[in-house]
Amino acid sequence: AQSVTQLDSHVSVSEGTPVLLRCNYSSSYSPSLFWYVQHPNKGLQLLLKYTSAATLVKGINGFEAEFKKSETSFHLTKPSAHMSDAAEYFCVVNTGFQKLVFGTGTRLLVSP
Amino acid sequence: GAVVSQHPSWVICKSGTSVKIECRSLDFQATTMFWYRQFPKQSLMLMATSNEGSKATYEQGVEKDKFLINHASLTLSTLTVTSAHPEDSSFYICSARESSLETQYFGPGTRLLVL
Repeated sequence: AQSVTQLDSHVSVSEGTPVLLRCNYSSSYSPSLFWYVQHPNKGLQLLLKYTSAATLVKGINGFEAEFKKSETSFHLTKPSAHMSDAAEYFCVVNTGFQKLVFGTGTRLLVSP
Repeated sequence: GAVVSQHPSWVICKSGTSVKIECRSLDFQATTMFWYRQFPKQSLMLMATSNEGSKATYEQGVEKDKFLINHASLTLSTLTVTSAHPEDSSFYICSARESSLETQYFGPGTRLLVL
């Protein structure tokens, strides 16, 4: 079965420093992977998606993620954090039956 | 980008009453819509998948008689929580998918509080 594991429940960074949110996946075939962001009391916004094209995926707001099959990872990065990046981030895998399985989420805290 | 709306955004109701939540795709036709539930500080759990014109497929453990889903058109799906109880209080989020695309677009969510 397809699943994702988000290794950190909370990540704290200072504004202007790099962001790294970790995600490992488990899949019996080449998966489709997504990162979504959720701001407080809001719905989810798609940041980026990997669907077996380029392994380095660029998303919105300066985020990017790299698909590494050898490490079964799909970590989300951003070179410089902004205060507005503070939110909950979900790594998500498509099960192949059009169902999405969500990770447990990582809360990103950005301090001035 | 594709926009999905939900109505209402907030609802407070008494125990035993029924509540209907609407999910609309505003600028695309959604052949499939999904309903999720999110408890505080937790991840999203898929409740059911609905395809336009057919019965919804519920995930294991979700009572289909309690959570009635209707997907009568390509732009509208509704979730009705029947005889709501305090334990049904949660954040309900819908998503919609175009037939030819893989990406799901999420609505802003509906917060339900049952007193």
